[in-house]
Amino acid sequence: TQLLEQSPQFLSIQEGENLTVYCNSSSVFSSLQWYRQEPGEGPVLLVTVVTGGEVKKLKRLTFQFGDARKDSSLHITAAQPGDTGLYLCAGEADSNYQLIWGAGTKLIIKP
Amino acid sequence: ETGVTQSPTHLIKTRGQQVTLRCSSQSGHNTVSWYQQALGQGPQFIFQYYREEENGRGNFPPRFSGLQFPNYSSELNVNALELDDSALYLCASSLAGSYGYTFGSGTRLTVV
Repeated sequence: TQLLEQSPQFLSIQEGENLTVYCNSSSVFSSLQWYRQEPGEGPVLLVTVVTGGEVKKLKRLTFQFGDARKDSSLHITAAQPGDTGLYLCAGEADSNYQLIWGAGTKLIIKP
Repeated sequence: ETGVTQSPTHLIKTRGQQVTLRCSSQSGHNTVSWYQQALGQGPQFIFQYYREEENGRGNFPPRFSGLQFPNYSSELNVNALELDDSALYLCASSLAGSYGYTFGSGTRLTVV
């Protein structure tokens, strides 16, 4: 059974601070996707990483895929209240078609 | 380009009843996946449809079934509803062979 462990589950920090969210697995993924989900809405895709060691930047958000394609991280620099939300990582395996999801990180940025 | 549309947005059913949820996929997408998301958890894969056939299934019982139509829209049917079926049901469309999914806003199902 493939699992994706996401940490921390909850994070509350002050505006301007930096933070990192981690997703780890013992399984290899063909891609690792990061989503953000607002209450009552579906997840919205932020980024997809597919190559081991790949780094992608989206404004103040930096996403990295581990060299072995088993783990990923999301780093937010100078967090702002607008970054508040639920962040989910999801891995897609070579052999199948389903997304394996982390449990999510609920992020609160206080002004 | 239209996104993924799900209907209804909210639904209350009684235990033992049957329910049908509907999804219109994003223009240009040919694959539809359904997920169940319990409160405070990540989504759980139910099944995926491609070319009107089930292309894979998660760990859900047979009373969860689906259809995909020629226009790539899809339905999720759940028979003999149980209280634990209460959840947000998400539909996601994608283009076969590409990465990333577009999700609808979901249907909030409450079973009482």
